[in-house]
Amino acid sequence: QQPVQSPQAVILREGEDAVINCSSSKALYSVHWYRQKHGEAPVFLMILLKGGEQKGHDKISASFNEKKQQSSLYLTASQLSYSGTYFCGTANTGKLIFGQGTTLQVKP
Amino acid sequence: DGGITQSPKYLFRKEGQNVTLSCEQNLNHDAMYWYRQDPGQGLRLIYYSQIVNDFQKGDIAEGYSVSREKKESFPLTVTSAQKNPTAFYLCASSITSPGTEAFFGQGTRLTVV
Repeated sequence: QQPVQSPQAVILREGEDAVINCSSSKALYSVHWYRQKHGEAPVFLMILLKGGEQKGHDKISASFNEKKQQSSLYLTASQLSYSGTYFCGTANTGKLIFGQGTTLQVKP
Repeated sequence: DGGITQSPKYLFRKEGQNVTLSCEQNLNHDAMYWYRQDPGQGLRLIYYSQIVNDFQKGDIAEGYSVSREKKESFPLTVTSAQKNPTAFYLCASSITSPGTEAFFGQGTRLTVV
């Protein structure tokens, strides 16, 4: 069963912050985050392996709450280059599945 | 340079014809995946393979078939049994250790008319 992402779409102005949530009705063993520009391949952002783990680079970070089976991706001071569709994924016994995606549009 | 290559980028087929999408990687990855992407539905897993000569069905395998005869190659055949084959197809690969990223190809957009 696919992880569920919210919101489905976000529109921001440059410099604003956004949070994208990912949850699962089944156990999350790890959480992957990817970003896809239109018509291109998804690009890896980060993986969180353990509950309580937080990671980040530049102004994009994520957290993983294993007990609640949830992960959140935080984008701060958004830039135009952050526009795209964000996917969370989870891997278990070799099967890597993704949520339905969150489309983020950053306007000048 | 290492990478994962899908070909062709665009493919047109008549209804009722089988079509095979190519996916090749030179990253020495054991695991390979096929996903279908439709607007608003994200990436849905069709088939995956953890090792040569072995593969498993994903969530939407009906109407598709795969083979994994070589480590580098994981072709996907869209058969005439697939009721709505027009979509964007993505192939990915990774090493099999937990917590490793997947690398994606550039995708093949299949249009069946």
